[in-house]
Amino acid sequence: GAVVSQHPSWVICKSGTSVKIECRSLDFQATTMFWYRQFPKQSLMLMATSNEGSKATYEQGVEKDKFLINHASLTLSTLTVTSAHPEDSSFYICSARGDYRDTQYFGPGTRLTVL
Amino acid sequence: AQTVTQSQPEMSVQEAETVTLSCTYDTSENNYYLFWYKQPPSRQMILVIRQEAYKQQNATENRFSVNFQKAAKSFSLKISDSQLGDTAMYFCAFTTTNYGGSQGNLIFGKGTKLSVKP
Repeated sequence: GAVVSQHPSWVICKSGTSVKIECRSLDFQATTMFWYRQFPKQSLMLMATSNEGSKATYEQGVEKDKFLINHASLTLSTLTVTSAHPEDSSFYICSARGDYRDTQYFGPGTRLTVL
Repeated sequence: AQTVTQSQPEMSVQEAETVTLSCTYDTSENNYYLFWYKQPPSRQMILVIRQEAYKQQNATENRFSVNFQKAAKSFSLKISDSQLGDTAMYFCAFTTTNYGGSQGNLIFGKGTKLSVKP
């Protein structure tokens, strides 16, 4: 199956700093990448969708100035949490898809802890 | 609105037994895809099985099979010969094929926590 990597797997940062999370499709070209947030014992919540070379589409309630998404190539998307605060602590998961008929393949997730 | 409902928050099964997880969905679309993903304690989301709505034949992947009832909008997952490694959270998910609209976003159910007991 298709492989998606995510880095880092775990990050701890101080309040007010910015954190960048990378999502890479290792063996296929991802036309679309998705970013999710997951709280403990809950389902995945879609934050935004990004197409290569285009601006991301954010879901209602997600602050685009706080969660900056860049999809500069067909294999890489980044999520930057700017001026992170403790309430941003969560598990962030990316997924990637080749075209609209394809399955979404998920990265292993990033646990963000903001002190 | 398109929704996915998993009515069983938790289930348990004895090793080697068979278990069925329920999923219903609501959509006015005629063409769509349905998925079951598992999320073990590692939290890596893993694709278990996929079903295209236009296919009448139920999808199977080794010990995993689905019962897809399009008219009833039901998509249950059967796990045969359950193994300890099947212990995980199982999410049912749905996406349309309307690329120009929703961009094929996945809509997830709330999940069913499955425990396989030795």
